[in-house]
Amino acid sequence: KAGVTQTPRYLIKTRGQQVTLSCSPISGHRSVSWYQQTPGQGLQFLFEYFSETQRNKGNFPGRFSGRQFSNSRSEMNVSTLELGDSALYLCASSWGLAGAYNEQFFGPGTRLTVL
Amino acid sequence: AQSVTQPDIHITVSEGASLELRCNYSYGATPYLFWYVQSPGQGLQLLLKYFSGDTLVQGIKGFEAEFKRSQSSFNLRKPSVHWSDAAEYFCAVVGVANFGNEKLTFGTGTRLTIIP
Repeated sequence: KAGVTQTPRYLIKTRGQQVTLSCSPISGHRSVSWYQQTPGQGLQFLFEYFSETQRNKGNFPGRFSGRQFSNSRSEMNVSTLELGDSALYLCASSWGLAGAYNEQFFGPGTRLTVL
Repeated sequence: AQSVTQPDIHITVSEGASLELRCNYSYGATPYLFWYVQSPGQGLQLLLKYFSGDTLVQGIKGFEAEFKRSQSSFNLRKPSVHWSDAAEYFCAVVGVANFGNEKLTFGTGTRLTIIP
């Protein structure tokens, strides 16, 4: 069974631009969660989508948004990029809602650099 | 709200030596605790998890962790490290978020370096 895939793996953007990242979950998984990883803040939860609905949201500004399609693939979008948005963005999928009893499987991440 | 503290930012261990990575949590109820490992350029891989029952849990790659409620700790151990264990290790706790759903809260990580 293929793992979680994320595209692109690397991305360079300039301030003010917007970016869309893509995540394909493991086949059969219906939940996709997104995390931001930075050296200063560590791993921070962005949001979770399940059956095309946002079920959980972290403490990030509205510039960060996401969506999930009927095939469970998910995209996240960051508008008006700031230098501080430079990070590794990780996607994780699980069969059910992420939590104690539904293990999350992580993708390799998308490395976003904002210049 | 739940939180996790990993006091050691960076640890260096000789190959073949024993390892203990510290993790302290804060959560009002019984926590669900996890250890993940992240190798360079990779995503996170689950090493082990604790929900309830036996406080000593075994994981993959020869790792184990012990839950100690009295100390609010969930330390990760390995009796003999291998060069391939060099990576970043994250402790995480599941708590209930605003919407009543569970989400992972991670510690800041401990980077493990192995010397020959």
